[in-house]
Amino acid sequence: QQQVKQSPQSLIVQKGGISIINCAYENTAFDYFPWYQQFPGKGPALLIAIRPDVSEKKEGRFTISFNKSAKQFSLHIMDSQPGDSATYFCAASSSISSGSARQLTFGSGTQLTVLP
Amino acid sequence: GAGVSQSPSNKVTEKGKDVELRCDPISGHTALYWYRQSLGQGLEFLIYFQGNSAPDKSGLPSDRFSAERTGGSVSTLTIQRTQQEDSAVYLCASSLYQNTIYFGEGSWLTVV
Repeated sequence: QQQVKQSPQSLIVQKGGISIINCAYENTAFDYFPWYQQFPGKGPALLIAIRPDVSEKKEGRFTISFNKSAKQFSLHIMDSQPGDSATYFCAASSSISSGSARQLTFGSGTQLTVLP
Repeated sequence: GAGVSQSPSNKVTEKGKDVELRCDPISGHTALYWYRQSLGQGLEFLIYFQGNSAPDKSGLPSDRFSAERTGGSVSTLTIQRTQQEDSAVYLCASSLYQNTIYFGEGSWLTVV
């Protein structure tokens, strides 16, 4: 019920191509879906996030598509660049108890390599 | 500070020793979280604090793990009698209520 399933585990894309990473969840209580980007030796950094009341959110080259009925969401990276090479984690969250904190449940991560 | 600060950044310890990992959250952040990331794996939720209180400790892997937060700020994660399977990156994060969760760079723990 708490799992978030992420695919693919690894992805290789040519520079300028589109990178697509998919996630699926089961818990209908999740109400916040962020994507984190992690470079080697660094902590995860928030990239973009979406709430279930919208089906798409775009920030620059990064777009989240959200399908509430299918309980799936995906990250699209347009015009992928070598600097985008990193590990990407999807996550899902629900508010905790009194609502003053959030518990993030993470997917297993996708290692993206963008070839120059 | 500007971000979540963790120390030590790297720690090598002998099996059976106790270790303390420290987290200094972003100033004013009400919630503090600990996660564990094993090599090549996702992030495993350990515990969170609302102020100084940890309402749910069920994510801690065993009773060798404990955490506290004092003054609504700094938190310490303690691992007693370390085992090799405890080797991982321990990530701390903080947020202002339910807003964006910011992560530190982690404490890399190696148990030999």
